[in-house]
Amino acid sequence: AQSVTQLGSHVSVSEGALVLLRCNYSSSVPPYLFWYVQYPNQGLQLLLKYTSAATLVKGINGFEAEFKKSETSFHLTKPSAHMSDAAEYFCALDARGGTALIFGKGTTLSVSS
Amino acid sequence: SAVISQKPSRDICQRGTSLTIQCQVDSQVTMMFWYRQQPGQSLTLIATANQGSEATYESGFVIDKFPISRPNLTFSTLTVSNMSPEDSSIYLCSVRTGEGTDTQYFGPGTRLTVL
Repeated sequence: AQSVTQLGSHVSVSEGALVLLRCNYSSSVPPYLFWYVQYPNQGLQLLLKYTSAATLVKGINGFEAEFKKSETSFHLTKPSAHMSDAAEYFCALDARGGTALIFGKGTTLSVSS
Repeated sequence: SAVISQKPSRDICQRGTSLTIQCQVDSQVTMMFWYRQQPGQSLTLIATANQGSEATYESGFVIDKFPISRPNLTFSTLTVSNMSPEDSSIYLCSVRTGEGTDTQYFGPGTRLTVL
């Protein structure tokens, strides 16, 4: 069965610090992987996606993620946090079966000045 | 990509009543999905709505409680029936733009509070 695990329900960083949000997956087939962001009182916005091309994927707002098959991971990073990055972040998996995405439980990112 | 709108954006309802949520997409899409996001939780898939056929419900969700319509390739509705406070959630519509496409787009959500 496919699953997504996000380590750490809440991550706090200072403005300008490195952001690292962890995501591990389990899939019986090579997956597509996604990171979505949800700002307060808004829907989900796609940050970036991995679809078996380059393993290092760059997204919007300076975020990037690296697909590591050996570690079954797809961690999200940003070199320098900004106050506007404070939001809920969801990692999601597509098992390529034409079905809906499977989501992790989410990580709340807080950024302090 | 796809632009998705939902109506209403939020509502406060009384126990025992029903609410129908509308989802409109700016282009024809093959697959539409309805998710529930309970307070402080992740997204849980309620059902997949395909045009011309009955919706496919996930375990724990039934048609009598969450009837879904999909009259065409740009529109769907989800009804939350006989509501209780436990139904207080954000309900999100999501689409894929074609078979095998790799991105799901999400609407802004409907924030439902049941008193």
